[in-house]
Amino acid sequence: KAGVTQTPRYLIKTRGQQVTLSCSPISGHRSVSWYQQTPGQGLQFLFEYFSETQRNKGNFPGRFSGRQFSNSRSEMNVSTLELGDSALYLCASSLGAGGPPREQFFGPGTRLTVL
Amino acid sequence: DQQVKQNSPSLSVQEGRISILNCDYTNSMFDYFLWYKKYPAEGPTFLISISSIKDKNEDGRFTVFLNKSAKHLSLHIVPSQPGDSAVYFCAASGNQFYFGTGTSLTVIP
Repeated sequence: KAGVTQTPRYLIKTRGQQVTLSCSPISGHRSVSWYQQTPGQGLQFLFEYFSETQRNKGNFPGRFSGRQFSNSRSEMNVSTLELGDSALYLCASSLGAGGPPREQFFGPGTRLTVL
Repeated sequence: DQQVKQNSPSLSVQEGRISILNCDYTNSMFDYFLWYKKYPAEGPTFLISISSIKDKNEDGRFTVFLNKSAKHLSLHIVPSQPGDSAVYFCAASGNQFYFGTGTSLTVIP
């Protein structure tokens, strides 16, 4: 079974631009979560999508948004990029059945650099 | 507000010895805890987990201990191997996963 894939793997943007990152979950997984990883901050939860609906949201500004398609693929968008948005963005998929989360499988991440 | 904390950013251990990685949490409602391992340029991979109804879970060289009264968990790796060198994240499950900031383990041959 193919793992979680993320595209692109690396991205360089300038301040003020916007960016869209893509994530394809493991086949059969309906939940996709997004995390931002920066040095010293660990993995910060951005949001989770399940069956095309945002189910949970972390404490990030509205410049960060996402969506999920009917095939469970998900995209994350960051508008008006700031230097502080430079980070590794990780996507994780899980079956997403009812109840609290128990296991997630991570993709390799997209390394975003904002200049 | 960091609900899961790993206070040691780094740890160095000799090959063959025990590695102990620590994690503290603040929310007593967390009922499931996980450890992930991350190599550079890769996403985190699941290592081991423990439910709050247990105080220990073992999988080969890896053992996780949970002390609910202290809101503390630890990961023991015995014996440590150079291939264990990576960043280790602990995570707690509430309505979402809450991750610590990671501990970079270096196992010296």
